[in-house]
Amino acid sequence: GAVVSQHPSRVICKSGTSVKIECRSLDFQATTMFWYRQFPKKSLMLMATSNEGSKATYEQGVEKDKFLINHASLTLSTLTVTSAHPEDSSFYICSARSGVGDVSSYNSPLHFGNGTRLTVT
Amino acid sequence: AQTVTQSQPEMSVQEAETVTLSCTYDTSESDYYLFWYKQPPSRQMILVIRQEAYKQQNATENRFSVNFQKAAKSFSLKISDSQLGDAAMYFCAYRSALQTNTGKLIFGQGTTLQVKP
Repeated sequence: GAVVSQHPSRVICKSGTSVKIECRSLDFQATTMFWYRQFPKKSLMLMATSNEGSKATYEQGVEKDKFLINHASLTLSTLTVTSAHPEDSSFYICSARSGVGDVSSYNSPLHFGNGTRLTVT
Repeated sequence: AQTVTQSQPEMSVQEAETVTLSCTYDTSESDYYLFWYKQPPSRQMILVIRQEAYKQQNATENRFSVNFQKAAKSFSLKISDSQLGDAAMYFCAYRSALQTNTGKLIFGQGTTLQVKP
């Protein structure tokens, strides 16, 4: 089945530094990827929709200058948390759509990465 | 805007018994998809079951089935013969079928299911 790889699984960084999280579709091409944030025992909140070759679409209330998203290829999207602060500590999950053949299609199911636990000290 | 509501933060069930998790949603769209996802302690999101709104027949997947009431905008999940491995957080999710939509999932608040041996 379709696999989405997210790296790293855990990261600890100091306040003020930047952290990059990668999301890769391993056996399919994903024109669209989604980034979610999840607080402990809470729901997944959509942060942004990442589109290959174009600017990401951010949800209301999400700072686009703080959470930089780059979707440079059909198999890779990155989320960079810039100037991280302790309140950015959270669990970040990406997802991507698989589809017929090698290209994702609108109605195909979403596949999730294993998530990244970010701790900012 | 669409919303998804899970009113049961926590549920518990005895092993081998049946449990039903509730979900309601609000939308003005007529065509959409509904999902139940399971998130075990590993935090991996696992698709449990999926329902297309245009289908009247309730979806089933082995021990998992749904009761989809479109008019009432209700989408409950029934787990039969509960197993210890079913213990997890369960999320109900909505996705628009409109081609102009990005295909993003909107999640409910989640229900933590405890299975007692």
